[in-house]
Amino acid sequence: DGGITQSPKYLFRKEGQNVTLSCEQNLNHDAMYWYRQDPGQGLRLIYYSQIVNDFQKGDIAEGYSVSREKKESFPLTVTSAQKNPTAFYLCASKAQMSYNEQFFGPGTRLTVL
Amino acid sequence: EDQVTQSPEALRLQEGESSSLNCSYTVSGLRGLFWYRQDPGKGPEFLFTLYSAGEEKEKERLKATLTKKESFLHITAPKPEDSATYLCAVQAGEGGSQGNLIFGKGTKLSVKP
Repeated sequence: DGGITQSPKYLFRKEGQNVTLSCEQNLNHDAMYWYRQDPGQGLRLIYYSQIVNDFQKGDIAEGYSVSREKKESFPLTVTSAQKNPTAFYLCASKAQMSYNEQFFGPGTRLTVL
Repeated sequence: EDQVTQSPEALRLQEGESSSLNCSYTVSGLRGLFWYRQDPGKGPEFLFTLYSAGEEKEKERLKATLTKKESFLHITAPKPEDSATYLCAVQAGEGGSQGNLIFGKGTKLSVKP
């Protein structure tokens, strides 16, 4: 089955630690996205990548980093510089044709202890 | 500034009681409007894409419509399993942010038996 997988489903981080969230897709999509979702707020874009080895900052990139070494994978690192990392993180992908919808993974809930 | 506003924030219906959710937007050059359904603790599930004013799409008890300023998601004779948060997003403009979506905060729908 084609789709997007995210792991882990739940992640706990201590203060000062970096953690990496995994996102993999087998839809052969070129573009991939990372969003953050907080209660009462819309999804906010962290980073996006439209092609391998290239990525762009979204609206709230501070304290996060990404890589795109393979078409299928777009891991997100939440660094210790992120002031308030507790949130629900969603990965999405999209075919490269401009108007196509984005498809989302199941999400990772990150909690800072 | 591009903006998406959804109303109401929450909606409680009795089973079989039809209603509509609203998504109003201000955007420079609408490329597409997207509706998603999100269940608690899960990633958004794609429902519809609308591209131009006057367009309508239907799926089971849901019907989405689009005007130049807003979109409606009509729910006919809802069932308890329709309970979820419904998200609206727009794709706007051109340039470096091609494909990026702007999300509303969502409408949380509860359908009581």
